[in-house]
Amino acid sequence: DVKVTQSSRYLVKRTGEKVFLECVQDMDHENMFWYRQDPGLGLRLIYFSYDVKMKEKGDIPEGYSVSREKKERFSLILESASTNQTSMYLCASSEQGYGYTFGSGTRLTVV
Amino acid sequence: GQNIDQPTEMTATEGAIVQINCTYQTSGFNGLFWYQQHAGEAPTFLSYNVLDGLEEKGRFSSFLSRSKGYSYLLLKELQMKDSASYLCAVRDDQAGTALIFGKGTTLSVSS
Repeated sequence: DVKVTQSSRYLVKRTGEKVFLECVQDMDHENMFWYRQDPGLGLRLIYFSYDVKMKEKGDIPEGYSVSREKKERFSLILESASTNQTSMYLCASSEQGYGYTFGSGTRLTVV
Repeated sequence: GQNIDQPTEMTATEGAIVQINCTYQTSGFNGLFWYQQHAGEAPTFLSYNVLDGLEEKGRFSSFLSRSKGYSYLLLKELQMKDSASYLCAVRDDQAGTALIFGKGTTLSVSS
């Protein structure tokens, strides 16, 4: 089975900190995605990547950046964390044309 | 643009049948997915439809009508463990391989 691992289950950070959320998949998938999930708003796409060093903006990229230096790893970066970025962050990967496998999520609280 | 609608909440009793509807409007439809998400956990894949018709998988079935922009997830012989959120997601060619999610339907199953 494909495994998507997110490095932290829970994180608490201070306003203004630079935050790194890490995601690693072990099945050589080309596509990787970052979503955030908020009550009443569902899953919203932040960024995705088709290949190493490639990235595409999703619906809500403001305040975020990403890095994909290796195929298996896709990092989400909050340049200067703010309280409105408190959320559940979900990483997913997929092979071309197929559905996603999700990581277990990182619940980030910005205080 | 993209728009995916599904009811916010539904309730049902053990042993019953429930149908969760999803309507969508996308620029370039290329498949519809249903995911199940238990509270505090990552979404898990349930079904995939790209052609019109019914796909059956055990107690769960999913239907698609592309001309009507409509899908439903049918859950039979409901069990308490089916209490979860059910997410409808569409792959839109205009968004590459990224899935666009509806806000989810929270299903509560009571005895």
